[in-house]
Amino acid sequence: VQLLESGGGLVQPGGSLRLSCAASEFTISNYAMSWVRQAPGKGLEWVSVISTGGGDTYYADSVKGRFIISRDNSKNTLYLQMNSLRAEDTAVYYCAKATKATIAALYWGQGTLVIVSS
Amino acid sequence: EIVLTQSPGTLSLSPGERATLSCRASQSVSSSYLAWYQQKPGQAPRLLIYGASSRATGIPDRFSGSGSGTDFTLTISRLEPEDFAVYYCQQYGSSPPVYTFGQGTKLEIK
Repeated sequence: VQLLESGGGLVQPGGSLRLSCAASEFTISNYAMSWVRQAPGKGLEWVSVISTGGGDTYYADSVKGRFIISRDNSKNTLYLQMNSLRAEDTAVYYCAKATKATIAALYWGQGTLVIVSS
Repeated sequence: EIVLTQSPGTLSLSPGERATLSCRASQSVSSSYLAWYQQKPGQAPRLLIYGASSRATGIPDRFSGSGSGTDFTLTISRLEPEDFAVYYCQQYGSSPPVYTFGQGTKLEIK
């Protein structure tokens, strides 16, 4: 499983950023795909998931209305559009793929760091 | 909303010893939907156990998972130097889909 995140960086509060996750060796539309984040020195927090097929999307309450998960099947790439960013959104953002055996467990990319600061 | 509480927060052991990590859910969780991960500093989490007791591909058999209902355990039978890391349990809720993580247990060298 190869997941390569990109797009992280420094952004001011209130700003926007789009993260990308390029997948290889599998087809993302065949798996539920998630974003999970980890604030510096903290634990793991699930952010969002996009389902297979029709691509239903779900979000943690902390990002609902501000973040949008999507995928481009032709590019085999997952995205996270992050708007109205806050300092508390500062974290490493991981792209994660549900396993073949079960949707309930995840394989992870290496992550990309987002820093929200003025 | 299901809350996962891991204990202890920090576990200090020596190589060769047995480690027992606990994950307690605030309400009953399907065993099929309970997973464990290992995370080393600067690295992404790595899947160890899914379905409460099934080892992921490439995971050594010194790692085992057990439990049901609200109490789950990750056991490392004989600690190797590379096993010292932070461990997270995670449950999946299907309606609506959500992944919930415990706060982690840090396994450190004594």
